[in-house]
Amino acid sequence: QKEVEQNSGPLSVPEGAIASLNCTYSDRVSQSFFWYRQYSGKSPELIMSIYSNGDKEDGRFTAQLNKASQYVSLLIRDSQPSDSATYLCAVGGGGGADGLTFGKGTHLIIQP
Amino acid sequence: NAGVMQNPRHLVRRRGQEARLRCSPMKGHSHVYWYRQLPEEGLKFMVYLQKENIIDESGMPKERFSAEFPKEGPSILRIQQVVRGDSAAYFCASSPPGGGGTEAFFGQGTRLTVV
Repeated sequence: QKEVEQNSGPLSVPEGAIASLNCTYSDRVSQSFFWYRQYSGKSPELIMSIYSNGDKEDGRFTAQLNKASQYVSLLIRDSQPSDSATYLCAVGGGGGADGLTFGKGTHLIIQP
Repeated sequence: NAGVMQNPRHLVRRRGQEARLRCSPMKGHSHVYWYRQLPEEGLKFMVYLQKENIIDESGMPKERFSAEFPKEGPSILRIQQVVRGDSAAYFCASSPPGGGGTEAFFGQGTRLTVV
């Protein structure tokens, strides 16, 4: 049974600070890793994907992957109140037959 | 370039009725996933389909639930004899060939309410 673990939060961060969201996964052969943002009552929106060890930056977002530690994180710099949402970590196989496995999400609150 | 289209957006059914949820994937996408999200909970995988094939249905309840993705037309998630516990948001996602290793994009979801 594949598992993806996230701290449910809420994680409260002051506006302008760095928000750090963490995720661990159980399946060592996982090859693809995604962060989705979900506003209340809305559908998940893909914001970052990462496939190899290291950092990947896109605007204010940085995804970090460490396959040896089975750990993936998302950093949000210069946090804005509009970043307040639930962030879902998703893990996929290496082109195999499995659908994505999602964590339960971390509820992030950016305090003005 | 339309995204993943789900309909209806809201569906109300009485206990014992059938619910049919439809999902049209993005253009060029051949893989469809269905997820369920109960109130205040995370997304739970239900089923992964390609055209005319169920690839992984390990998340589907054994009874009353079925899914299909025919050669022509949308993917259908069917729930027979609905019960109150089926009330949830059902999300469909699609991805291009490559399956679980590629990015998946979600539709707006169908909110099912069983009364």
